[in-house]
Amino acid sequence: SYELTQPPSVSVSPGQTARITCSGDALPKKYAYWYQQKSGQAPVLVIYEDSKRPSGIPERFSGSSSGTMATLTISGAQVEDEADYYCYSTDSSGNRGVFGGGTKLTVL
Amino acid sequence: QVTLRESGPALVKPTQTLTLTCTFSGFSLSTSGMCVSWIRQPPGKALEWLALIDWDDDKYYSTSLKTRLTISKDTSKNQVVLTMTNMDPVDTATYYCARCIAAGYYFDYWGQGTLVTVSS
Repeated sequence: SYELTQPPSVSVSPGQTARITCSGDALPKKYAYWYQQKSGQAPVLVIYEDSKRPSGIPERFSGSSSGTMATLTISGAQVEDEADYYCYSTDSSGNRGVFGGGTKLTVL
Repeated sequence: QVTLRESGPALVKPTQTLTLTCTFSGFSLSTSGMCVSWIRQPPGKALEWLALIDWDDDKYYSTSLKTRLTISKDTSKNQVVLTMTNMDPVDTATYYCARCIAAGYYFDYWGQGTLVTVSS
């Protein structure tokens, strides 16, 4: 079955740039989406269609995709950005969703 | 204002069938391009996509769980129901329903989730 691969953890100091990657064979043809999940809460969409930011999401969150890799970038990470981040996409059929394994972002 | 709320049993026994209901407001599942999906998350683990149903009553399931899952909708009640048969302790998880957008099948609004424990 189709898989999306993320690093288990990323750590940065406040104010630094955090980059979280997501690799998958279908990403050249399918959009990537990114979700932020803080402890005990439901996930929140932070990037859709590779690089678009929903209303209310801070401008420091951006996304890009090239080939089989999508990247979530948090420019000037804040302590409140500490969370688990999941990439999401669909398989080549476009009908079945798949999440990456999640990346724990530590900002300290 | 879009809201979704999951309801169902907090505890099920192994081999039993789980039935979860997602009750939503703020949108209609008869509107073109709308869908509702179920996602679960075992304690301390990653999100796992389970199934979705769209405005045209198309249904899609996780390849690994499709033999155990059934998703249905009642548009008049603004509800989506997921059933999962033959429950096992490994199915212990928080189950979320989410509104999804059919162009990409991604989720823009989520319910708070409901924890289901499978234990005898």
